[in-house]
Amino acid sequence: DTAVSQTPKYLVTQMGNDKSIKCEQNLGHDTMYWYKQDSKKFLKIMFSYNNKELIINETVPNRFSPKSPDKAHLNLHINSLELGDSAVYFCASTASGGVADEQYFGPGTRLTVT
Amino acid sequence: SQQGEEDPQALSIQEGENATMNCSYKTSINNLQWYRQNSGRGLVHLILIRSNEREKHSGRLRVTLDTSKKSSSLLITASRAADTASYFCATEGGGSNYKLTFGKGTLLTVNP
Repeated sequence: DTAVSQTPKYLVTQMGNDKSIKCEQNLGHDTMYWYKQDSKKFLKIMFSYNNKELIINETVPNRFSPKSPDKAHLNLHINSLELGDSAVYFCASTASGGVADEQYFGPGTRLTVT
Repeated sequence: SQQGEEDPQALSIQEGENATMNCSYKTSINNLQWYRQNSGRGLVHLILIRSNEREKHSGRLRVTLDTSKKSSSLLITASRAADTASYFCATEGGGSNYKLTFGKGTLLTVNP
């Protein structure tokens, strides 16, 4: 069974479009994250939710909006996509109720904006 | 701001050799973690060391932490071709509970 899953794995779209990436974890974890990994492999946190409540909101354009319908799901919606949004987006989860202990990562979604 | 900095950026060794990667950070931490990322895959947690620990082992992995120097090292002994991956250190703490701050990683290539 996949612990943290993301869909889609690849996403190719044009500038200006709106797209969503979905994440689900079946680990029973309370905390979920979205990370962005750029072309140089630098991984930066974007958002974190603990029990459906937003606890981390880094300096991310407000075109990015996370949504957590329940604690097993954390989706990322991106409006008005730009070339610079091209990256790999990773979802992750941890059991620790907000404390950043071991994190479990999804396989990533490679977003290409043309 | 970026917390961890791995060194070297890239490392190429032969199978059977040991590989050592270093990580330096800037602020106080609660814990430091090492992750592995195979090409095109997500990150996999390897080991966590807390600020009051100095050394930790897991299989062929040995991690040390020197909080006075704000540095950590990851040693992989008797490396295998399957160890080829990028290795990242990540720190938690310094007033930033709840989140990890990652370095840029070391790309390890183990040649058969």
